[in-house]
Amino acid sequence: QVQLVESGGGVVQPGGSLRVSCAASGLTFSSYGMHWVRQAPGKGLEWVAFIRYDGSNKEHADSVKGRFTISRDNSKNTLYLQMNSLRVEDTAVYYCVKELYDVLTGPQEIFDYWGQGTLVTVSS
Amino acid sequence: DIVMTQSPDSLAVSLGERATINCKSSQSLLYSSNNKNYLAWYQQKPGQPPKLLIYWASTRESGVPDRFSGSGSGTDFTLTISSLQAEDVAVYYCQQYYNIPPITFGQGTRLEIK
Repeated sequence: QVQLVESGGGVVQPGGSLRVSCAASGLTFSSYGMHWVRQAPGKGLEWVAFIRYDGSNKEHADSVKGRFTISRDNSKNTLYLQMNSLRVEDTAVYYCVKELYDVLTGPQEIFDYWGQGTLVTVSS
Repeated sequence: DIVMTQSPDSLAVSLGERATINCKSSQSLLYSSNNKNYLAWYQQKPGQPPKLLIYWASTRESGVPDRFSGSGSGTDFTLTISSLQAEDVAVYYCQQYYNIPPITFGQGTRLEIK
């Protein structure tokens, strides 16, 4: 079965950096687009970033553009999110998410598997 | 950006009764070339990640009980739970994937037992 396991969360000061990772298993990782979605404590869901299955295309939300970078290593079945210049408002659980491949329409930004998430706390 | 607005923010329904959650998008999610609505629904229970319930507005994900159904087209969508069970207590989110980036979610609807 598909498993997505995030790691690397923790407490960091404003302005600091952190890299979170997501180890994938139970799927052909190199065949799927992947996303990061975050959820601030007690709040709703916010899409953060996307990377195409082969890493050739990336998109980031405006709220993190220029500060966060999504990447992947298909040889290691691992997804990453490098977070720089962290702000208090970046405090959230960060979920690694796989997108669905629809047999008729191809890859779609439908999130069929989610990791358990890793908590990033930005605080002085 | 497409804005997704859910209503109500919370609701309480008796066990065995019908629960209805609405989602409205700021622009149409219907793609004319394939006649599909780019709208998904998720369920999030406390302390858990979200779970995909419905996509293409009305296609039930594998393993999702048939008491969950999705309907609607264009800008107005509905998630219906036909007979509420105790395990359905959760927050429900709609999400559009029509015009990206960004992918956007509704603010969530909290469903409780009356």
